[in-house]
Amino acid sequence: AQSVTQPDIHITVSEGASLELRCNYSYGATPYLFWYVQSPGQGLQLLLKYFSGDTLVQGIKGFEAEFKRSQSSFNLRKPSVHWSDAAEYFCAVTNYGGSQGNLIFGKGTKLSVKP
Amino acid sequence: EPEVTQTPSHQVTQMGQEVILRCVPISNHLYFYWYRQILGQKVEFLVSFYNNEISEKSEIFDDQFSVERPDGSNFTLKIRSTKLEDSAMYFCASRGDQAETQYFGPGTRLLVL
Repeated sequence: AQSVTQPDIHITVSEGASLELRCNYSYGATPYLFWYVQSPGQGLQLLLKYFSGDTLVQGIKGFEAEFKRSQSSFNLRKPSVHWSDAAEYFCAVTNYGGSQGNLIFGKGTKLSVKP
Repeated sequence: EPEVTQTPSHQVTQMGQEVILRCVPISNHLYFYWYRQILGQKVEFLVSFYNNEISEKSEIFDDQFSVERPDGSNFTLKIRSTKLEDSAMYFCASRGDQAETQYFGPGTRLLVL
């Protein structure tokens, strides 16, 4: 079955430190991969996406993610975290080949930032 | 920048009542979706809608749920007889033709008492 695993439920990092949020997926077809961010009480904002081509993709707010097919991973990174990055981060996968592209989400990783 | 809007932002209802959640997708988009997020849990797909009909639905989307695009701009989710377990945040999303990104609205938080 198709699934997305975010193994870290909650991560705390110090402001200015680097960040990596893990995402592993299980998907039979070529995946389209996304990272969304959700601030408290807010909707889902797209950070970045991967469809094809360069496996290192750049997103908004200084985030990047790397697609590794051999590891079925799409980890999110940021070299220097800001206090405003505190939020919940969701990895999602879909495929538009045979469906309307319903997103399958991971359970999310909550990021806290220490001053 | 175009965005998906949803109304109301919050809704409180009694168990057994009907609720209608409204969404205005981005104007030139063709694919529409509803998702829900129960507090503390992951976002789950409910239904997708294209060309004025449901294209896919999850097992959550049972007979008490329905969707409609009554005019050229609105996309609604109706829950006929709400249950306590329907309490959740409901997100609408839309996608353009030949595009891959789904854009989400801010959500409607539904509380069933």
